[in-house]
Amino acid sequence: DVQMTQSPSSLSASLGDTITITCRASQRIGRWLNWYQQRPGKAPRFLIYGASTLQSGVPSRFSGSGSETHFTLTISSLQPEDFATYYCQQGYYTPRTFGPGTKVEFK
Amino acid sequence: QVHLVESGGGLVKPGGSLRLSCEASGFIFSDFYMSWIRQSPGKGLEWLSQISENSATTQYADSVKGRFTISRDNAKNSLFLDMTSLTSDDTGMYYCVTEGGFGDYDWFDPWGQGTLVIVSS
Repeated sequence: DVQMTQSPSSLSASLGDTITITCRASQRIGRWLNWYQQRPGKAPRFLIYGASTLQSGVPSRFSGSGSETHFTLTISSLQPEDFATYYCQQGYYTPRTFGPGTKVEFK
Repeated sequence: QVHLVESGGGLVKPGGSLRLSCEASGFIFSDFYMSWIRQSPGKGLEWLSQISENSATTQYADSVKGRFTISRDNAKNSLFLDMTSLTSDDTGMYYCVTEGGFGDYDWFDPWGQGTLVIVSS
């Protein structure tokens, strides 16, 4: 199975900050990389597909980049609702696999 | 509005069985692949099983192959997961998920609210 790793596992930030989360795949996956947000007590919410294309309704302060084995999710000008856990997921190989998550906490 | 509602979770003893259900509304259920995804503290988010629109094809993660069976009833807009030989490793929140896609890409969206399964004696 393709192993997905994320760094950092958690980070502290303030309102208005810009943060970057890194996701790495153990095999080349092209741009078949999705990002999800999960708020406490809620199901994951789909944010980005194809490494960089925002799902409809996702604020433009979210952006994604990368290809093959190295990907990033950047959130600019952090808002209160952005404090959550973020997961990457590869969509190239079966089984689909997720990263362990990055928790964004309020500093 | 798209809605997925899971049910059937609960406390079950090791070796026991459970049937999870998911009722879909707000979209043409029979047009979409569906999956079950589990979230547990130890293993994070784990894709478990997928079923095609017409039930012709199913796939399973190695961790549940031979123990879990996915099925659907398009007439009732419902998805099911029959789980047997449960162990403590199967404890977690189970999500019913629609598989969306565009071009070559696919993703999991939307997700139900989840149903909690606890395997414990």
